[in-house]
Amino acid sequence: QKEVEQNSGPLSVPEGAIASLNCTYSDRGSQSFFWYRQYSGKSPELIMFIYSNGDKEDGRFTAQLNKASQYVSLLIRDSQPSDSATYLCAAPQGGKLIFGQGTELSVKP
Amino acid sequence: GAGVSQSPSNKVTEKGKDVELRCDPISGHTALYWYRQSLGQGLEFLIYFQGNSAPDKSGLPSDRFSAERTGGSVSTLTIQRTQQEDSAVYLCASSLSLSEQFFGPGTRLTVL
Repeated sequence: QKEVEQNSGPLSVPEGAIASLNCTYSDRGSQSFFWYRQYSGKSPELIMFIYSNGDKEDGRFTAQLNKASQYVSLLIRDSQPSDSATYLCAAPQGGKLIFGQGTELSVKP
Repeated sequence: GAGVSQSPSNKVTEKGKDVELRCDPISGHTALYWYRQSLGQGLEFLIYFQGNSAPDKSGLPSDRFSAERTGGSVSTLTIQRTQQEDSAVYLCASSLSLSEQFFGPGTRLTVL
C-alpha cells in the first residue's frame, strides 16, 4: 500500500459546484497533512494544512481530517475554472513530506 | 523576497552524459528537498537536507544520483551516466520547518 493515496482523476465538476478531493494515508502516526495545488507546467504551491480532527476552512476551501479513518479531504466550494489544476495531498514522514499522486480537477464553465 | 531558484530551467543531454542541477533555496531556510516529477505523475522524493545533519538519501533511485549542499545553502543534484528514464522535471524545495515547503520552478531534464 502506498503511504499516501489519491485518485488520479480527472475529476470534472461544473462551475459553481463543490469539488471533493480525497486522500488516504497509511501511517497512523501522521499528525499533519498538506494540500498543494499544481497548475499545469508550474510548481506546487501550498493551499492548506490541517493538524486537528475535524474541519478547517479558508475562504472557498475546507480541509477535513479524520484520523480514525486515516482520511483527509479537500472541498472547494463554488468551483471556478481557475481552480482547474492537480491537487496533491502530502503527509510528513521522517522530516520529509510524502506526496500522493495527485488528483486532476477540471472545472467546466 | 527571492524565492527558490533553480538552474538550468531546461537541460537536454545525451544518454550517458553527466548532468548537474542547481538549487538556491530561500535565504535562512534550513531544510532543502529534491523531488522528481515524471510526466503526469506525482512528486517522487529523492533527498532531504536538514541543517548540518546527514542527508536523508532514501529516495535516490540509484547510485548514479548524488547531491550535496555546500555551506548549508546551495545544493547540486548530480546524475551520472544519464539514462532516458531519468527524463523528468526535477523540483527543489526549501522550508524553515515542516509547515510549508516552497518550491522552485524546476529543471526539465530531457535525455535523448
